[in-house]
Amino acid sequence: EIVMTQSPATLSVSPGERATLSCRASQSVSSNLAWYQQKPGQAPRLLIYGASTRATGIPARFSGSGSGTEFTLTISSLQSEDFAVYYCQQYNNWPPEETFGQGTKVEIK
Amino acid sequence: QVQLVQSGAEVKKPGASVKVSCKASGYTFTGYYMHWVRQAPGQGLEWMGRINPNSGGTNYAQKFQGRVTMTRDTSISTAYMELSRLRSDDTAVYYCARRKGSSGCDYWGQGTLVTVSS
Repeated sequence: EIVMTQSPATLSVSPGERATLSCRASQSVSSNLAWYQQKPGQAPRLLIYGASTRATGIPARFSGSGSGTEFTLTISSLQSEDFAVYYCQQYNNWPPEETFGQGTKVEIK
Repeated sequence: QVQLVQSGAEVKKPGASVKVSCKASGYTFTGYYMHWVRQAPGQGLEWMGRINPNSGGTNYAQKFQGRVTMTRDTSISTAYMELSRLRSDDTAVYYCARRKGSSGCDYWGQGTLVTVSS
């Protein structure tokens, strides 16, 4: 099983500031990585797939980068609606078992 | 518009089984894999497995091997996830989500709360 480790567990950021979230894989997943946002009581929302491609309707302030084992989600200027929990997920072809990171909570500073 | 509508909340006793359904509409059901993800109260997301609605082929997380069965009925565009030998730590919200290729899970069901309690 590929283990995904996200850091930090909690990120305190002021509105308008930049947020940088990290995700590390225990072995290479190439670019087979997605980022999701989840708010309380809601299903996850796809933000980024293929490590760097924004999903339909996702604002440009969200960007993803990385490949192999190191990945980053950047929110360039945090809006009030961005305070949520963010998860990375690897979906490498082999082994055919996908895994999520434990999540990073972005909270208001 | 694309919709994934899941069955309602369930309360089960330890040792029982639960079967959750996920009805798809607004797209070609056989064109997207269906994934199942669960989330225990206050915890993170956990991938359980996926089914290819076209072939019926499945891949399960090792943790659930032998306890989970994913099936589909293409005639009614519905996917199912059955989990057996339930334990209290199976209490969670169970989600279905569709994905095509390497594009990420772009649509999710509303979630089904399964509570396992004696």
